[in-house]
Amino acid sequence: DIQLTQSPSFLSASVGDRVTITCRASQGISSYLAWYQQKPGKAPKLLIYAASTLQSGVPSRFSGSGSGTEFTLTISSLQPEDFATYYCQQLNSYPWGWTFGQGTKVEIK
Amino acid sequence: EVQLLESGGGLVQPGGSLRLSCAASGFTFSSYAMSWVRQAPGKGLEWVSAISGSGGSTYYADSVKGRFTISRDNSKNTLYLQMNSLRAEDTAVYYCAKVGVVVVAATHFNYFDYWGQGTLVTVSS
Repeated sequence: DIQLTQSPSFLSASVGDRVTITCRASQGISSYLAWYQQKPGKAPKLLIYAASTLQSGVPSRFSGSGSGTEFTLTISSLQPEDFATYYCQQLNSYPWGWTFGQGTKVEIK
Repeated sequence: EVQLLESGGGLVQPGGSLRLSCAASGFTFSSYAMSWVRQAPGKGLEWVSAISGSGGSTYYADSVKGRFTISRDNSKNTLYLQMNSLRAEDTAVYYCAKVGVVVVAATHFNYFDYWGQGTLVTVSS
């Protein structure tokens, strides 16, 4: 099975900060990676797919990059509504485990 | 507008069974794979199972293989998850999700583009 490790697990930041979250895969997954945002009590929301493609309607301050085993989600200028938990998901092997990372919680400093 | 509405959650004793349903609307249901994802209280997301658009192919996480069965009725635009031999560790909110796909240079990229609101399953005596 492919394991995904996100870092950091917890992040404290201020409005306007540039934030970067890393997701590392235990083996190469090309660009088969998606990023989701989840707020408390809500379903996850798709932000990025194919590692770097912004989902329609998602603000352009969100961006994704990477391929192979290392990926990043960047929020260029953190907004109040961005405080949430972020998950990466690999969708490489269809679908022998479309696994998620453990999550990164972004909180207000 | 795409809508996914889960139902069927509740309290069940260890060893018991439960069937979850996910009613879909706003898209051509039979054209898309569907998936179940769960989230234990205070924990992260865990992929559970997936099914192809036709229903002919099904996939499971090791943690539920042999106990859970995913199925779909394309005439009713409904996805199901039959859960047997339930354990305390199956306690979670269960989400259904539509599996989107984009083709780039003959490469298929999947993603979960729409999610239901979730239904809570509690396994406890």
